[in-house]
Parts: sequence; structure tokens; C-alpha cells
Amino acid sequence: EAGVAQSPRYKIIEKRQSVAFWCNPISGHATLYWYQQILGQGPKLLIQFQNNGVVDDSQLPKDRFSAERLKGVDSTLKIQPAKLEDSAVYLCASSLSPRDTAFFGQGTRLTVV
Amino acid sequence: RKEVEQDPGPFNVPEGATVAFNCTYSNSASQSFFWYRQDCRKEPKLLMSVYSSGNEDGRFTAQLNRASQYISLLIRDSKLSDSATYLCVVNKNDYKLSFGAGTTVTVRA
Repeated sequence: EAGVAQSPRYKIIEKRQSVAFWCNPISGHATLYWYQQILGQGPKLLIQFQNNGVVDDSQLPKDRFSAERLKGVDSTLKIQPAKLEDSAVYLCASSLSPRDTAFFGQGTRLTVV
Repeated sequence: RKEVEQDPGPFNVPEGATVAFNCTYSNSASQSFFWYRQDCRKEPKLLMSVYSSGNEDGRFTAQLNRASQYISLLIRDSKLSDSATYLCVVNKNDYKLSFGAGTTVTVRA
């Protein structure tokens, strides 16, 4: 069974530039999560989708971050403009439903210089 | 108070030893609980779910104490390959996953 796919794996950008991450969840998984993990910390939920609707985006810095899941499958997360403190690993995860186990992609490691 | 708190460790143990650590959660209405394992520079992977009656998977035993709002993980007969960060995950009553910061375990030869 194919897992959660993310791209790119690594990205280095300058501050104030924009960047986008892509996630393809496991087929049939209705719930999709984007997490930010800063070195030495646990993953922090940025946004949770149920199909193409947003369930929780309370910790998403909406002045600079945006995410969409237009057809209820793939999702993109964008940062514009990036700040130094955005340097982190961005993890996408999916599950059949919010009650089920979440499976993670390999993440995108973002470095903002 | 953080939703999920863990002792960051590190727990440094010799091969063959037993190591155990806890995780506390703040929301008494939390529905389900998991332990994930995260290797250095890798994504988190499910280690095991935690059931009310406690459960075992090989050398790993998980316990849930709802009264005191904590879960525990015990690793018996530690292997070098058990070296990792163990993340406590709580699914709140609104079905949103909250992660602890992780407990680092290092098993030495």
C-alpha cells in the first residue's frame, strides 16, 4: 500500500520568499493533517482537513500560511512570506477518519536563511 | 498547562535493560491514546495504540490510567534498535491529535 507522499523533501529559501509544499494522502483517507515540527519539539498541528473542509486551523498563522485541499485528496501548504522561525520539518499525515490511526509522510525540511 | 506532557529524557540504558516512562494529558475527555516512535530525521510511525485494559506488543507494554490522566510505555529487554524518540499522542474528544514533545531513549551496547 502506498504511503503518504510529500514533496519536496528539502527546501532552502531566503526570508520573505514564498514556498509551497505538496501532500498526497493514502488513498481513501478522508482526514488530512499538516504538522510543523521544530527541532527538539513534538509535531504541532497547523491544520486538519476532513475531506475538503477545514476542521481545525486554530494554530495556523493565517497572515502568512495558507492551505487547501480542493478536491478532498491532495493538499498544498503555502508560506508567504517566510520568516527565519519557519525553519522546521513540515509533516503531512492522513487517516481514514479522525478516530483512526494517522500515518505520516516523510516530511519536507524547510530552511529559511 | 500543556495538553500532553512528557519527560524529555534522555533515558540512557544498557542493552537488555527495562525502561519505562510516562505521559500526562490534561483533557479528561480524551478518547484514544497512542505511542509513536520517531527516529532521528525521520517521520513519526505508530508504535502501538493504548487500550483501557493495557496492552502488550512483544517487548512493549502500554498502560492507561484515566483517573490520574497518564499513559505509560515500558520496553523490556532493550535493543540498540529501540533508540529513538517516543511520542505520546492523545486524541481529544473533538478528535484532534495532540502530540507530546517526545521522550528520547538511547540504548547502549
